Amino acid sequence: ETGVTQSPTHLIKTRGQQVTLRCSSQSGHNTVSWYQQALGQGPQFIFQYYREEENGRGNFPPRFSGLQFPNYSSELNVNALELDDSALYLCASSWGTSVDTQYFGPGTRLTVL
Amino acid sequence: AQTVTQSQPEMSVQEAETVTLSCTYDTSESDYYLFWYKQPPSRQMILVIRQEAYKQQNATENRFSVNFQKAAKSFSLKISDSQLGDAAMYFCAYRSPRDDKIIFGKGTRLHILP
Repeated sequence: ETGVTQSPTHLIKTRGQQVTLRCSSQSGHNTVSWYQQALGQGPQFIFQYYREEENGRGNFPPRFSGLQFPNYSSELNVNALELDDSALYLCASSWGTSVDTQYFGPGTRLTVL
Repeated sequence: AQTVTQSQPEMSVQEAETVTLSCTYDTSESDYYLFWYKQPPSRQMILVIRQEAYKQQNATENRFSVNFQKAAKSFSLKISDSQLGDAAMYFCAYRSPRDDKIIFGKGTRLHILP
């Protein structure tokens, strides 16, 4: 069974640029959730995708957007990067949108200069 | 809105001893789910234990157990026979069955002293 994977591991961007982060869900999972974890904080929910459609969103502006593909992998896109976007971005996969346990990937560390 | 509070930013425990991490939460819901996640330096968030609010029995997973006090909205994690590999950030988390997001506390960094 393949776990959740994310790419890239680290990324450095400058303010105003755009970034795409990728996540491959665990085998058999059809739901992906994205979280932002600022340094020294707990993760904060960005949004969730279920069967290729957004299925819930946290308090993040529209410049945070996502996609889910037919194979249930997912992308997180952030436009017009700001310094405060520097964080660890985690994705988690699960089966369904109920309270099934979410399994997390190792994260992508994004630094915005 | 639901909130999760972890009042201990850091804790230390001697190897082989027992330690308890505290967590309180606030919600108006009667049905919900609580979790403890562990995040080692590798950054990967690992589920330690899960508790359904409708269950009165406290969840247990090997050396890890919880003390779930629903009326007090308290959900503490007890680690018995602490091992060096237990050193990590521990996050308490809440999930409503009507929502898709997990709400995390700010975490407690646990140090294991050899």
